[in-house]
Amino acid sequence: EAQVTQNPRYLITVTGKKLTVTCSQNMNHEYMSWYRQDPGLGLRQIYYSMNVEVTDKGDVPEGYKVSRKEKRNFPLILESPSPNQTSLYFCASSPFTVQHWNEQFFGPGTRLTVL
Amino acid sequence: SQQGEEDPQALSIQEGENATMNCSYKTSINNLQWYRQNSGRGLVHLILIRSNEREKHSGRLRVTLDTSKKSSSLLITASRAADTASYFCATDQDSSYKLIFGSGTRLLVRP
Repeated sequence: EAQVTQNPRYLITVTGKKLTVTCSQNMNHEYMSWYRQDPGLGLRQIYYSMNVEVTDKGDVPEGYKVSRKEKRNFPLILESPSPNQTSLYFCASSPFTVQHWNEQFFGPGTRLTVL
Repeated sequence: SQQGEEDPQALSIQEGENATMNCSYKTSINNLQWYRQNSGRGLVHLILIRSNEREKHSGRLRVTLDTSKKSSSLLITASRAADTASYFCATDQDSSYKLIFGSGTRLLVRP
């Protein structure tokens, strides 16, 4: 089944404790992206990746890191989480090419609480 | 920065009625997409319309794009209770590879 998976789905942690949220897609998509969703603010893009070893900042990259060592995986790293990073996080992938945008496939979300 | 802004923020209609949601954006775009989200779940893609297209249909959905007004509308005809969800528009920004989402319209379809 074609899908985007995220782990963990729920996480409660404490300020300053490094964490990684994994994202994996099995559709051979070039484009992958991380978003956070907060009430009243819609989705805001954190980082995106056009292909392996190619990543770039979205609108709200502060406090986050990403890597794209393999095409299928795009982990989101919070080196020192803070309470303002409490949010619902979504990973997405897309068969994007330079010429055309295509639909994005979203993972189920990771609900993160930082105490 | 918010590129797309949906209007209205919330909409409540009776089953069988049509629902119209609007999206405005600020910069030039290559494409505009509409997504649906059921409460707390991942987004599901509905329609993508490119900047050289004016109208697109998919089942009960109709999307229009007016690049001169920098706006788009999503029409859901003959709505059903199962259409209850939040609807988001998303655009690329200044032909970049970022995708910018609006804050969404919450649609409630009453049985």
